[in-house]
Amino acid sequence: AQTVTQSQPEMSVQEAETVTLSCTYDTSESNYYLFWYKQPPSRQMILVIRQEAYKQQNATENRFSVNFQKAAKSFSLKISDSQLGDTAMYFCARRETSGSRLTFGEGTQLTVNP
Amino acid sequence: DTGVSQDPRHKITKRGQNVTFRCDPISEHNRLYWYRQTLGQGPEFLTYFQNEAQLEKSRLLSDRFSAERPKGSFSTLEIQRTEQGDSAMYLCASSLIAGALLNPYNEQFFGPGTRLTVL
Repeated sequence: AQTVTQSQPEMSVQEAETVTLSCTYDTSESNYYLFWYKQPPSRQMILVIRQEAYKQQNATENRFSVNFQKAAKSFSLKISDSQLGDTAMYFCARRETSGSRLTFGEGTQLTVNP
Repeated sequence: DTGVSQDPRHKITKRGQNVTFRCDPISEHNRLYWYRQTLGQGPEFLTYFQNEAQLEKSRLLSDRFSAERPKGSFSTLEIQRTEQGDSAMYLCASSLIAGALLNPYNEQFFGPGTRLTVL
């Protein structure tokens, strides 16, 4: 099975500091799409940031940015100036161009401490 | 637009009973997906529809599971003869397929989920 792996089950960071969440994936396709989703406690999952594999430039969305290393099949998420509201479970996901399903990692529980 | 909605939010049932969940996607979205999420894990794909056609089913979708989207709008997911292993959060998502140039990411928007507990 082609998988997505998040090796950090839990992480914590102090408010206003920077944290990086790791994600590696497996694929046999040359183009695909990668996503980071955030799932706050008891709330629905929302998209944080997305990246197309053909695009070499790393995506950024305000305080969120990614480090996409295609050769290494790595897609890490950097959160700058962490806020208490960033506390959530974060999921890395992959969608291959040939399909519609998202394949998710196991998740990383991020806690931002005041 | 209020986003993807799911009903009920919580369901407790006894083993062997049948349950049905409903999902209402974002109104203009033509694709609808079902995922299952067990505690401490990421969501796993079950099935998806484009309009009323069910285009893909995961091996996770056993014969006891059936999904429909009869008019290409809302969808239902039914589990027959529930088992304790069916206890999970069932997530629905929707997306708009508008061509690779217009919407290449096919971003999926998720609902709040239905939490099923089988006793």
